[in-house]
Amino acid sequence: DAKTTQPTSMDCAEGRAANLPCNHSTISGNEYVYWYRQIHSQGPQYIIHGLKNNETNEMASLIITEDRKSSTLILPHATLRDTAVYYCIVRYRDSGYALNFGKGTSLLVTP
Amino acid sequence: EPEVTQTPSHQVTQMGQEVILRCVPISNHLYFYWYRQILGQKVEFLVSFYNNEISEKSEIFDDQFSVERPDGSNFTLKIRSTKLEDSAMYFCASSEEGGSVTEAFFGQGTRLTVV
Repeated sequence: DAKTTQPTSMDCAEGRAANLPCNHSTISGNEYVYWYRQIHSQGPQYIIHGLKNNETNEMASLIITEDRKSSTLILPHATLRDTAVYYCIVRYRDSGYALNFGKGTSLLVTP
Repeated sequence: EPEVTQTPSHQVTQMGQEVILRCVPISNHLYFYWYRQILGQKVEFLVSFYNNEISEKSEIFDDQFSVERPDGSNFTLKIRSTKLEDSAMYFCASSEEGGSVTEAFFGQGTRLTVV
């Protein structure tokens, strides 16, 4: 049980921002929120992670709500190569901080 | 950029045979993981490994599976007697630290086909 909730699928026009939401209402303490993506059957690719502050790197931004119960991954200018399944993962202490992948959000970027 | 490498990319084996999947983690990483993904299903955690010991394992990781770090660079997953249902993509990952703080990087996977 991944303990996170994400929409099954989303569409985004090329060049526009893709905003992928995630609910993780049972998060607590020092449990981080991670985002990975998987293109076809390639290995999962790390995108970004955060604890409570918003984070930004060269790939994306991560916005975490003040109560930490939800977050949004933002791809500022989506390209066709961003079409992938995006996974929001909380590394829960009671699962040994394992990366437990759920079903993720299938993002389709269209021309 | 450092990366996790896995060999072979595709392995076909007969049911009942032993297979060894190989991984070279990123060189300064200390924590190692195996995951699998059955076609069309989600990525599943198998095992984590640190300091030459298994630190966590899932219910999938039964007595048919074993892991080893035979030297300073390789990390292997052995399946003793393969079954048809072991057919899957197997991903190796590594991270610099354990816990929740640092990210894990994944290899491109080995596709195991059991016939």
